[in-house]
This record gives sequence, structure tokens and C-alpha cells, in this order.
Amino acid sequence: NAGVTQTPKFRVLKTGQSMTLLCAQDMNHEYMYWYRQDPGMGLRLIHYSVGEGTTAKGEVPDGYNVSRLKKQNFLLGLESAAPSQTSVYFCASSSTWGDTADTQYFGPGTRLTVL
Amino acid sequence: AQSVTQLDSQVPVFEEAPVELRCNYSSSVSVYLFWYVQYPNQGLQLLLKYLSGSTLVKGINGFEAEFNKSQTSFHLRKPSVHISDTAEYFCAVTLEGGANNLFFGTGTRLTVIP
Repeated sequence: NAGVTQTPKFRVLKTGQSMTLLCAQDMNHEYMYWYRQDPGMGLRLIHYSVGEGTTAKGEVPDGYNVSRLKKQNFLLGLESAAPSQTSVYFCASSSTWGDTADTQYFGPGTRLTVL
Repeated sequence: AQSVTQLDSQVPVFEEAPVELRCNYSSSVSVYLFWYVQYPNQGLQLLLKYLSGSTLVKGINGFEAEFNKSQTSFHLRKPSVHISDTAEYFCAVTLEGGANNLFFGTGTRLTVIP
């Protein structure tokens, strides 16, 4: 049981390049989330999904797209990277039932640098 | 709209001393409250949460927090800290009955001094 995993762990992009971050969870959770963490700003929600095939915008969605084609995977895409997207990205998932409902489980993070 | 304020960005404390990390929130609707811990170069891990019931909540690693509705606070405490408690601590809220979207404070870096 690996929990929440993220690929890749590190990435350096040039301005204008595109990339996709992959998040996978093996806990059969319905909800999944993408956050970014910047110094002095805590974590901010980018997009989230309440089930397979559904996505919704969070607090800071501009410049990002997401897809949830399979329940266990949640992809975050950057179509044209900008230096302002340099950040640490965290994926999380949560269940809707049981004692652990409302608790989000986080992946280890992806450190992205855009030059 | 909801927001979370962590008043102290950094808290240095000597080993075996008590510590309190402060958290205040604002929301027009009922919320659930959480404290997460982030060790260096790792993801976030749940310390404790308040959903309902007793306002004193006990979590892992000897931490506890008290929900005070009148003061809209959810301060985190530990009576005696260890070196291993050095980490960043985040307070967060989510709307009751929502999609579990978390709204985070800016974090408090706890440094335990030997």
C-alpha cells in the first residue's frame, strides 16, 4: 500500500515548455486534489476532483489543466510554463466515508523550477 | 469566504519546554479544523482534526488542540517538545459538508533547540 505517489520528484523547465505531473493513489479514494506550496504562503488549491471524469477549479487554477480519466490517477498539466509556476506541487486524496473521511493524504511533492 | 491566520511564522523553543502554536480562522459557515505537520522535504501528515464533539482534541506525537468557537481559534499545544518535533506546522479548515477542500494558513516553523 504505497498511499499517494507523485511523478516526477524534480523537474526543470524552460519558459514556454509543457509538462504533466502524475499523481496516483491506491486507497480507492473518491476525492483528489492538487496544491502548490510557495514560501510564506502555505498551500493553495489549484484544482480538485470529486470523482472519475470530474474536475473543478480551486483557488489558483490559471495556467493549469487537470484530468481524472481513472479513479486512481489525477494529472496536472502546464501547457506553457512560466517562471511564476516555480513551486512545490502536492497531490492529495481523501475518502468520503468512514473514520478517515475529511482527512487528506498527501504525496511527497514535486519540485518544479521554470527558468 | 474563509481564511486561516497563523500569527507566528517562526517559533523557537528549547527541548522539553512547552509550546503553543496559534491558529485563528474566519468563516461564515461551519468548518472542520485540522493541523498538519510537514517534516523537511516531505509531504504533509495529519496531526489531529476537529469535526464535532469534545473541543479538546488529542493527536499523534503528544500534540493536542482546543477548539474555541467564541474566539474562532484552534491553537496547537504540546507540554514538552523533542528535537524530532522540529518541522513546519499548518493549520487548515474545510467547509462542513463540502468537497473537503482545505484552506491553509501560511505555516509556523517550529525549531526545537537542544
